Amino acid sequence: EAGVTQFPSHSVIEKGQTVTLRCDPISGHDNLYWYRRVMGKEIKFLLHFVKESKQDESGMPNNRFLAERTGGTYSTLKVQPAELEDSGVYFCASSQDVVDTQYFGPGTRLTVL
Amino acid sequence: QQQVKQSPQSLIVQKGGISIINCAYENTAFDYFPWYQQFPGKGPALLIAIRPDVSEKKEGRFTISFNKSAKQFSLHIMDSQPGDSATYFCAARPAYSGAGSYQLTFGKGTKLSVIP
Repeated sequence: EAGVTQFPSHSVIEKGQTVTLRCDPISGHDNLYWYRRVMGKEIKFLLHFVKESKQDESGMPNNRFLAERTGGTYSTLKVQPAELEDSGVYFCASSQDVVDTQYFGPGTRLTVL
Repeated sequence: QQQVKQSPQSLIVQKGGISIINCAYENTAFDYFPWYQQFPGKGPALLIAIRPDVSEKKEGRFTISFNKSAKQFSLHIMDSQPGDSATYFCAARPAYSGAGSYQLTFGKGTKLSVIP
């Protein structure tokens, strides 16, 4: 069984540019989560999809972040325009049921210069 | 406001020694406490988890101790090995109420180095 995959693994962009991160959850997992870890800090929740619907987006920092989950499969997280403080590692996780274990992807390391 | 406080930030242990990582939480609604292990270049992976109805859970060399009244829980790694060198995150999650999200709240992580 393939795990959670994320693309790209690294992204370096200039302040003001746009970046789109992609997450492919484990097949059959209805629940998809985005988290972010800024260097030295805790891993913080961004949002939660159940299938294609946003269940909770209380952790999204501001309206420069837009998450979508097309057809309840893969998800994208777009940052537009990127700011320096957006740098960090963005993790995606998925679970079959909301009470099940969340399986994490390897993360996308985003650096905004 | 950090809801789960984890210490130490880094830990160096000799091979064969005991590694101990501590976490404290504030939210009494939390009722599931997992520990995640992360190797460089990989995502966090569930290592072991506990619910507050038990005070201890052991899986191989890994043990969680849980103190509900103190709102503290800890991870003990017995006979630590160089292969255990990784970053460890404690986390907490509230009881499922049938609605809303079910997000994990993480500690800041502990970088463990086990030296031969």
